[in-house]
Amino acid sequence: GDSVTQMEGPVTLSEEAFLTINCTYTATGYPSLFWYVQYPGEGLQLLLKATKADDKGSNKGFEATYRKETTSFHLEKGSVQVSDSAVYFCALRREGSKSTFGDGTTLTVKP
Amino acid sequence: DSGVTQTPKHLITATGQRVTLRCSPRSGDLSVYWYQQSLDQGLQFLIQYYNGEERAKGNILERFSAQQFPDLHSELNLSSLELGDSALYFCASSETGGSNSPLHFGNGTRLTVT
Repeated sequence: GDSVTQMEGPVTLSEEAFLTINCTYTATGYPSLFWYVQYPGEGLQLLLKATKADDKGSNKGFEATYRKETTSFHLEKGSVQVSDSAVYFCALRREGSKSTFGDGTTLTVKP
Repeated sequence: DSGVTQTPKHLITATGQRVTLRCSPRSGDLSVYWYQQSLDQGLQFLIQYYNGEERAKGNILERFSAQQFPDLHSELNLSSLELGDSALYFCASSETGGSNSPLHFGNGTRLTVT
């Protein structure tokens, strides 16, 4: 079945540091890939998505590129802020199928 | 604001009891999903409805059931509650069931079983 593997957290960075959160997936066919973010006390929010190989999703300074050859969708941001502290979830979705989520990576950014 | 409304926000009940969680999807969204989030098991898919019909089932216990009504709101019923059912229950909705359609999550119902 489908699966998503994220790098284990928690991740702690200083403000303005570079962020990478690794995500790899296993799925048949051609899934769409997503990153969601969850702030304390809230539900998950869509951060970015990519629907086909080599697509780059971007939003709020975050980027991720759909790499079919390595089945990866790593999340990056060049300079993190304290307000980026949250839990980040990688997810995939195949046509006609449910979304499959990774276990989430907790990011803490210190001033 | 995602546009998905879940009630109640918090629920405290005793073992053996039954509760109903309610979800109103985002306007125009036909698909509703229920997820359980616990500390040790991450985000677990329970069930999906599309326009009133069950579309997919995940790791949903037999003690749990759900339905989607003609006005597209959904209810998740949890019965014979056990301590291990304590978790955050999220409802999400999407415009379609297609792979490109992202999920929009509510803020969840925190269930505590004592």
